[in-house]
Parts: sequence; C-alpha cells; structure tokens
Amino acid sequence: QVHLVQSGAEVKKPGSSVKVSCKVSGDTFTTYGISWVRQAPGQGLEWMGGIVPIFGTTNYAQRFQGRVTITADESTSTAYMELRSLKFEDTAVYYCARGPPYSNNWFDPWGQGTLVTVSS
Amino acid sequence: EIVLTQSPGTLSLSPGERATLSCRASQSISNNYLAWYQQKPGQAPRLLIYGAFRRATGIPDRISGSGSGTVFSLTISRLEPEDFAVYYCQQYDDSPRTFGQGTQVEIK
Repeated sequence: QVHLVQSGAEVKKPGSSVKVSCKVSGDTFTTYGISWVRQAPGQGLEWMGGIVPIFGTTNYAQRFQGRVTITADESTSTAYMELRSLKFEDTAVYYCARGPPYSNNWFDPWGQGTLVTVSS
Repeated sequence: EIVLTQSPGTLSLSPGERATLSCRASQSISNNYLAWYQQKPGQAPRLLIYGAFRRATGIPDRISGSGSGTVFSLTISRLEPEDFAVYYCQQYDDSPRTFGQGTQVEIK
C-alpha cells in the first residue's frame, strides 16, 4: 500500500522561501505523477503543479509560475515543493498527492498535509 | 482555465436519505475527465470517483458518479454517518487542474 509522508509544519516570514518534502513508500516512485495542492484556512483546494519523475517533466499553474519549483529525488523516493517570495496569503496546508501512472490527472492517495504559516 | 461550480453549497440531510451533488463546468470536459473527493475536518481529501463514474479502490457502491460534457453529479444513495463531509469535484481535461469550491453535506 502506497504512503505519502510529508515534512513538518513551518513558520516563515514574508519574502522568504519554504521547501516541503513528500516521501513515497510502498510502491514505485518514478512512474507515477506527484502533484501539490494547497488549502488556505477554511477554503477549498488549489492545484499548484505536478511532476512525473520518470520524465522529469513539470507542469505549474500559471498563478504560481516563477514562484514555485517542484522536484523529485528518485534515490530517496521523495518529491519537493519550494515556494518563494512568501506572502501572508500563502498561509495554508500544503498537500502532496500521487497521480496515476505517467500523469497528474486525479490524486490518490494524499499526504497528511504540511501547515505553512507566513507571519511577521 | 476550466471553472467548476458546485451546488448546493450546503446540503442538510438525515442518515439514510439520498444525496445528489452537482458540478458544472465552464466548458465541456472531454472523455469524462472528472473526479470527486471527500474531505473530513482535519484530514486530507480522499479520492472517490475518477473518469466521472469509476469508483476508486474501496469506495462503496452506494456512492456513484454520473454525467458528461458540462454537467456532472455525485450521488450517495443512502447516507451513512461517515458520509457527512465536504465533497469536491476536480477536472483533469485541461491544465491547470481545477477544483470546485465544494459542497458540505451536513446532518439535518
């Protein structure tokens, strides 16, 4: 059974960066997409982007383009999401989620979430 | 980008009743590329349906998806206590992937 385990909560200052990790266990890492989805407090879900490790290809939502980088380390079966130039409104729970083989279409399963708080 | 609008915002029902949730897309979604998720407080979302009507592993058959084009539905035939949650639709026909704003199913 596949599990996605994320790194712990972070508190960051405006203008700084955060890097969240997502370790995959229990199944092949490289052939499945990994996406990042965030959820601001009391709000809905927002897809930020994804990667397919075997291809090394990434796809980002336009609104995060230039501010987010998603990477994958095949040696440790870990995906990363780095968000730069943090703003107060980036305060959210950030989830990683696995896509089906070779894509980031639907998402199953999800990591437990990482709370990122942007505060001065 | 494809905008998904879910209705109603909140559905107040009793256990045993039937729930029907709607998801409308701003443009036609090809190949039924639509998924549904359930989210409970403090938990990550869980995939219920993909391909508009295909149940994910372990999802009971009282939960079903239907629709095509711009109108999709999620139906829970008989609500169980564990079904009271927030439900999101999500399209994967185009990038960026987008979600509806959610429908909360609450106990009446």
